[in-house]
Amino acid sequence: GAGVSQSPSNKVTEKGKDVELRCDPISGHTALYWYRQSLGQGLEFLIYFQGNSAPDKSGLPSDRFSAERTGGSVSTLTIQRTQQEDSAVYLCASSLAPGGVYEQYFGPGTRLTVT
Amino acid sequence: DQQVKQNSPSLSVQEGRISILNCDYTNSMFDYFLWYKKYPAEGPTFLISISSIKDKNEDGRFTVFLNKSAKHLSLHIVPSQPGDSAVYFCAARYSSASKIIFGSGTRLSIRP
Repeated sequence: GAGVSQSPSNKVTEKGKDVELRCDPISGHTALYWYRQSLGQGLEFLIYFQGNSAPDKSGLPSDRFSAERTGGSVSTLTIQRTQQEDSAVYLCASSLAPGGVYEQYFGPGTRLTVT
Repeated sequence: DQQVKQNSPSLSVQEGRISILNCDYTNSMFDYFLWYKKYPAEGPTFLISISSIKDKNEDGRFTVFLNKSAKHLSLHIVPSQPGDSAVYFCAARYSSASKIIFGSGTRLSIRP
């Protein structure tokens, strides 16, 4: 079956522009996560969605970052007024249940470069 | 404040020998631990996990050990193979929340 897909795979944008990153989770997975990995760093948690519950936004680094998940499936991560420090690989993951013993399945990521 | 720490950014092991990757954590509320493997330009893939009520879990060449008193876990790969060369992330989950916290990763290189 299809895995987690993300688009675009690469995005180059100018400082100050807005960008939207898309994630299509595995069908039937109720939990969806966004992480980012900056160069040489680990995976930084950004936001987590579970069903119709309010998302856990505790990892979003600033109010320039927002995310939504429509219909409990596709998610979009939006970064407004991008800065050079936003350059990173943005990873999306989904799982069958939140925090259960079900592991996360990751997409290939979107590499964002802010010039 | 890093709650999950992988203090070795890199490790080089000869093919056929044992690879031991270490991870320390600070929060005693973590109830589940996971290891992920990541190749370049790909997302991480799940490798093995362990519940906090156990001290060992084995799956083929991979074994994870958990020492709760020391807040330490390790991943053993034996025998190491060239395809094991990747970045390995340790991760932990809270018992009462859902997000999973990752360490900074260890780059494992298997040399012939």
